[in-house]
Amino acid sequence: QKEVEQDPGPLSVPEGAIVSLNCTYSNSAFQYFMWYRQYSRKGPELLMYTYSSGNKEDGRFTAQVDKSSKYISLFIRDSQPSDSATYLCAMSEGTGNQFYFGTGTSLTVIP
Amino acid sequence: DTGVSQNPRHKITKRGQNVTFRCDPISEHNRLYWYRQTLGQGPEFLTYFQNEAQLEKSRLLSDRFSAERPKGSFSTLEIQRTEQGDSAMYLCASRQAGDPRNEQYFGPGTRLTVT
Repeated sequence: QKEVEQDPGPLSVPEGAIVSLNCTYSNSAFQYFMWYRQYSRKGPELLMYTYSSGNKEDGRFTAQVDKSSKYISLFIRDSQPSDSATYLCAMSEGTGNQFYFGTGTSLTVIP
Repeated sequence: DTGVSQNPRHKITKRGQNVTFRCDPISEHNRLYWYRQTLGQGPEFLTYFQNEAQLEKSRLLSDRFSAERPKGSFSTLEIQRTEQGDSAMYLCASRQAGDPRNEQYFGPGTRLTVT
């Protein structure tokens, strides 16, 4: 079993839709949860960062962590064509430790 | 601050050849990570350095792989006797220890194709 599971999609939504992306994990020692966005042929860039359980909002993006269920989510409101990318969840046990990534979900927002 | 840079961006090599990639991290970052990403997969951890010390290596890093960070600045990743299964994107990331956002800043990657 992989440490982190993520539905690879692809996911295709109309512009303005709410997008929900999810990951599950098996390692209860994970405390830091990140969402990265990766455009084609580019390196990942950090979107959201959450420590432990709870919600965090940044503009159109909301990250949720439920450590009891080992489940994290990223919501994108009012999705835009520029949001079309691959979204990777990542987790680590501590700061500075290696990240464990999901497989990534490919998202296309259709104008 | 120009971000993390990697060279070359693309490398095509024949099976059995040796290749070396370079990563230049953000200058004040003391931690440097190498990941490998294959098509349709997320990045997989290979190894990381704190300054010049290599602190952790993944079991994915076979004895054909070696990484160095001789002066605690840039790093090189060498693959000896390349195999077709080594074809992947090799990503480098850096961070400053103590950064509360726990963010690793990624470079654009080096795409390796082994023919």
